[in-house]
Amino acid sequence: DADVTQTPRNRITKTGKRIMLECSQTKGHDRMYWYRQDPGLGLRLIYYSFDVKDINKGEISDGYSVSRQAQAKFSLSLESAIPNQTALYFCATGKAGGDTGELFFGEGSRLTVL
Amino acid sequence: AQSVTQLDSHVSVSEGTPVLLRCNYSSSYSPSLFWYVQHPNKGLQLLLKYTSAATLVKGINGFEAEFKKSETSFHLTKPSAHMSDAAEYFCVVSDWAGNKLTFGGGTRVLVKP
Repeated sequence: DADVTQTPRNRITKTGKRIMLECSQTKGHDRMYWYRQDPGLGLRLIYYSFDVKDINKGEISDGYSVSRQAQAKFSLSLESAIPNQTALYFCATGKAGGDTGELFFGEGSRLTVL
Repeated sequence: AQSVTQLDSHVSVSEGTPVLLRCNYSSSYSPSLFWYVQHPNKGLQLLLKYTSAATLVKGINGFEAEFKKSETSFHLTKPSAHMSDAAEYFCVVSDWAGNKLTFGGGTRVLVKP
């Protein structure tokens, strides 16, 4: 089983719909992240969480919200999806303290908004 | 503020020839730098990292990178490309606390037989 699991892996939806992407991890890491990937832009940080009670905005948080339900679960929501949110979304985990910067990624959730 | 520029969006090499992926960074402090690899339909995987120890860093699968502060560069190389090296590669800089990563735009590597 994968250490970082994202569901769904693929989703097609319509403008205005609410979408939730879920992430769960078995690595026991405190830190969890949501990134989106667009061609030529690399990965951009949407939100991150250093523990269950800690949520922080990244560089492109507008139009997104998150929930850290447990140490192992971190979900990303699009309250009202729009076409420019079509992208590949990645969840990642990381350890606090040493080895900072080494993240472990899920396989991605491809979202298409029509 | 920090930023990363990958100078080539695509690189094409023949199997068995050297690979060079170029990366320049900008950081207001002593950076930590990383290379990640993404194979098709997969998540990203850490290839190697520099964290102020030796300037020549060896990673997995025969890759290495050299940190050059005077040139603000962290280029990735491999002496002999293999078909399995076909993937997208990301150069990444970390903030001083290691809390947030900034990704370059990526370099897609094509390996020809």
